[in-house]
Amino acid sequence: EVQLVESGGGVVRPGGSLRLSCAASGFTFDDYGMSWVRQAPGKGLEWVSGINWNGGSTGYADSVKGRFTISRDNAKNSLYLQMNSLRAEDTALYHCGLGSYYVRHWGQGTLVTVSS
Amino acid sequence: DIQMTQSPSTLSASVGDRVTITCRASQSISSWLAWYQQKPGKAPKLLIYKASSLESGVPSRFSGSGSGTEFTLTISSLQPDDFATYYCQQYNSYSLTFGGGTKVEIK
Repeated sequence: EVQLVESGGGVVRPGGSLRLSCAASGFTFDDYGMSWVRQAPGKGLEWVSGINWNGGSTGYADSVKGRFTISRDNAKNSLYLQMNSLRAEDTALYHCGLGSYYVRHWGQGTLVTVSS
Repeated sequence: DIQMTQSPSTLSASVGDRVTITCRASQSISSWLAWYQQKPGKAPKLLIYKASSLESGVPSRFSGSGSGTEFTLTISSLQPDDFATYYCQQYNSYSLTFGGGTKVEIK
């Protein structure tokens, strides 16, 4: 069974940083691209970033480009999102997803709150 | 970026109704479109990919169609478990975008 478990969320002040992690199991991690998708409270889904199977190709939404960095460690079956220069509008539930084009399986998410 | 517009934003329907949700892309995306279902407090669930391919385990009452800029998700006979919010998402370009969502409510 595919499992994706996010961690690392929390409350951070504007301008601060957080690193999200996603632990993957139940599938061959290095066969698949991965994504981060977020959902602000009461709002719709927003793609944040994606990465291919070996980390050689990445993509970012314009809203996070230059501030967020996606990476993966295939030896640890883990996906990461380094988030710098956080803004109030980054407040959301961040989901890890299997797939870098469409998301076949989703984690339950980790909540990031940016507030002073 | 490619913009995705869903309509309607809210839909009221009864059990047994045939329901159609439309998604329009701001430019052609061929068939690179997915549909998701999301229930309150839960992660989204993939229903359809490549515009019309049914994800494994998804009931056959769900179907997708379209290509280019116009797409539809159809539920042939609405069931109580289908009351949820539905999102389309394009993956033609590697700046993926979602539609704004369609909430299917009980009439």
